[in-house]
Amino acid sequence: GAGVSQSPSNKVTEKGKDVELRCDPISGHTALYWYRQSLGQGLEFLIYFQGNSAPDKSGLPSDRFSAERTGGSVSTLTIQRTQQEDSAVYLCASSFPDSPLHFGNGTRLTVT
Amino acid sequence: EDQVTQSPEALRLQEGESSSLNCSYTVSGLRGLFWYRQDPGKGPEFLFTLYSAGEEKEKERLKATLTKKESFLHITAPKPEDSATYLCAVHGSNYQLIWGAGTKLIIKP
Repeated sequence: GAGVSQSPSNKVTEKGKDVELRCDPISGHTALYWYRQSLGQGLEFLIYFQGNSAPDKSGLPSDRFSAERTGGSVSTLTIQRTQQEDSAVYLCASSFPDSPLHFGNGTRLTVT
Repeated sequence: EDQVTQSPEALRLQEGESSSLNCSYTVSGLRGLFWYRQDPGKGPEFLFTLYSAGEEKEKERLKATLTKKESFLHITAPKPEDSATYLCAVHGSNYQLIWGAGTKLIIKP
């Protein structure tokens, strides 16, 4: 079956612009996670959804970052007024409760 | 504080040269330890879950083992296609996974 799908795969934007990243999880997966991965670094947790609710937003780096999930399915991560330090790969993962995460291939964001 | 440390950071082997990767962890109430493989430009791919000390899982040339303090990923007679970054993560008392920084494995033909 289809895996986790993320779009776009690459995004180049100018500093100060807003960007929206999309994640389509595996059908039926109730949990959805957003992570950030910088070059050569480990995975940095951003936010977790259980259904449409986000019980933990503690990983969002600043108030320029927000995320939502609708219909217990698609999620969007929005970064407002992008900065160069936002450049990274943004990974989305989904899972059933207490089950391994399944990742998409990420969106590579470059802020110029 | 929950923590995961992977070693070495990078490992270069000749094809056929067996070795092990280490994942040391401190977590309150381990609910699972996960191994993932990540190829360049791709998301992490799930390999194994281990739940209790003494447990072992195998898949092709890979075998994962678990003790109360660490996990090993043993690679037997590796091939160049085994080259990747291997990530370890632990699931503790809350829902969050704690991730290690990974070991970059390079297998030379």
